[in-house]
Amino acid sequence: EVQLVESGGGLVQPGGSLRLSCAASGFTFSNDWMHWVRQAPGKGLEWVSRIKSTGGSTNYADSVKGRFTISRDNAKNTLYLQMNSLRAEDTAVYFCTRDNWNDNLVNWFDPWGQGTLVTVSS
Amino acid sequence: DIQMTQSPSSLSASVGDRVTISCRASQSINTYLNWYQQKQGKAPKVLIYAASSLQSGVPSRFSGSGSGTDFTLTISSLQPEDFATYYCQQSYSAPITFGQGTRLQIK
Repeated sequence: EVQLVESGGGLVQPGGSLRLSCAASGFTFSNDWMHWVRQAPGKGLEWVSRIKSTGGSTNYADSVKGRFTISRDNAKNTLYLQMNSLRAEDTAVYFCTRDNWNDNLVNWFDPWGQGTLVTVSS
Repeated sequence: DIQMTQSPSSLSASVGDRVTISCRASQSINTYLNWYQQKQGKAPKVLIYAASSLQSGVPSRFSGSGSGTDFTLTISSLQPEDFATYYCQQSYSAPITFGQGTRLQIK
């Protein structure tokens, strides 16, 4: 079964740091682009970051650029999100998800992890 | 960034109803459009990818159509388990963006 399991969320003060992890199983993790998507309480979905299968290319939403770093360890089948200089507006459930592609290079997200809650508050 | 606008933002319907949710992109995205269903407290789940392709395991009462800037998700006969929030998402260009969501409630 293809599965993604996030961990590492919690309560952190403004300006603090946190590292999220996403453990992958049931597929060849090293073949796939991976993403982080977040959802603030009661709000919609916001794409955060993505990383190429090899880890050689990364992209970020403007809202997190310069503060968050996505990385992966293909030997451990694990995706990470290092979050620094956290702000109240970063409070959200963070989901990891895998890229799927068809022959026309259209991509979509499947599956998704269950999410991990990050709360930034003093 | 490409803006995705869904309508309506919320919708009340009854079991057995036919329901249509619209999604409009701020520029042409060809068929780089996906639909997700999210139930309360759960992760999103893909229903339709590439505008009209049904994800494996998704009931055939769900269908998608459109290209360019205008897209539609249709549920042909609502079932109790379909009451949820639905999001469209474009993957045409970075950054990937989602619509604001359509909350489907029981009438």
